[in-house]
Amino acid sequence: AQSVTQPDIHITVSEGASLELRCNYSYGATPYLFWYVQSPGQGLQLLLKYFSGDTLVQGIKGFEAEFKRSQSSFNLRKPSVHWSDAAEYFCAVGPNYGGATNKLIFGTGTLLAVQP
Amino acid sequence: DTEVTQTPKHLVMGMTNKKSLKCEQHMGHRAMYWYKQKAKKPPELMFVYSYEKLSINESVPSRFSPECPNSSLLNLHLHALQPEDSALYLCASSQEAVDQPQHFGDGTRLSIL
Repeated sequence: AQSVTQPDIHITVSEGASLELRCNYSYGATPYLFWYVQSPGQGLQLLLKYFSGDTLVQGIKGFEAEFKRSQSSFNLRKPSVHWSDAAEYFCAVGPNYGGATNKLIFGTGTLLAVQP
Repeated sequence: DTEVTQTPKHLVMGMTNKKSLKCEQHMGHRAMYWYKQKAKKPPELMFVYSYEKLSINESVPSRFSPECPNSSLLNLHLHALQPEDSALYLCASSQEAVDQPQHFGDGTRLSIL
């Protein structure tokens, strides 16, 4: 069965420091991978997506992610974190073959705190 | 600014009330979704509409009744809810293709008294 694991429930970084959020997936085919961010009281905003091609994907707000098939990972990175990056980050994979193809499988999320 | 608009932003209702949540998008998307999100959890899919027809119902209790009057609008009718139904209800939309990302609204915060 398809699944997504975000090993870190909570991460704290200092403003200006680099960031890496981990995402591992279990999938029987080539996955479509997404990272979403959710600020308090808001919906989910798409940061970036990977479908095929270049395994290093650039997104909005200075984020990037690298798809590593051999490690079944799609880690999110940012070279210098800003205080406004404090939020919940969700990794998601689709489509859900064998079930509803519109259905995304979400990880449990990583809550990012940024220290001044 | 979100391109998926949800109203109301907050809703408090009693267990015997009937209310509706509304979602609107003007991106020409033909798939629309309702999610339920509890605090510190990922969104849980409830319903999917594809070309205005219900395509997925994730075994949601009948006290939640979705409706898609047209390709831009999605409603969620609520009746006889339970306190455990208190949550953030998110609407999303996407193009009808597996590689298209979903675009989310800011949600309706629902509290059941």
